Amino acid sequence: DQQVKQNSPSLSVQEGRISILNCDYTNSMFDYFLWYKKYPAEGPTFLISISSIKDKNEDGRFTVFLNKSAKHLSLHIVPSQPGDSAVYFCAASQGPNFGNEKLTFGTGTRLTIIP
Amino acid sequence: NAGVMQNPRHLVRRRGQEARLRCSPMKGHSHVYWYRQLPEEGLKFMVYLQKENIIDESGMPKERFSAEFPKEGPSILRIQQVVRGDSAAYFCASSRQGADGYTFGSGTRLTVV
Repeated sequence: DQQVKQNSPSLSVQEGRISILNCDYTNSMFDYFLWYKKYPAEGPTFLISISSIKDKNEDGRFTVFLNKSAKHLSLHIVPSQPGDSAVYFCAASQGPNFGNEKLTFGTGTRLTIIP
Repeated sequence: NAGVMQNPRHLVRRRGQEARLRCSPMKGHSHVYWYRQLPEEGLKFMVYLQKENIIDESGMPKERFSAEFPKEGPSILRIQQVVRGDSAAYFCASSRQGADGYTFGSGTRLTVV
């Protein structure tokens, strides 16, 4: 039972354009969402998060949007840079500790930025 | 300020042997988490520990797997009598209370032959 789904296994975007990565979830108890970036042979790196009481959070080139009614979130990267090429994982948690509990991960989207 | 340190990076075991994976959290972090990633899959939660306590082990297989985080020293994930299906990347992460997200280590890639 995949509670967090990333339906696009891969995405290619031209350098300088916007990258949009999508994530859907089924568990309505999730109240905190995170995006991680992963390079080969390395551990995931935290990028940005959003609480369910918000619908948008922005940090530099990265913005996460949350649509609770649709159980959907997306990560926007603009402008996309070659160093953004990596696998991006969406993750969700429930509980009071802002992601410091068990995280449920999606299967990841491999983003390739074309120079 | 060293990150989360995992060792070994690569571990090869024959079926039936024991595997011990070590994780030293970041300085000041008292929460440790273990995740497993099978090929072409996302990370799956295994266990969440604080010093000398298992907080959530809902993702741990019922047999052969155990984890500890002693008062002194690294956290250890132990897999007894390994089977081929245990081959995966095992990631450890740490955090401090109230922090936003974990810091992951680079993982241990276990291969069972």
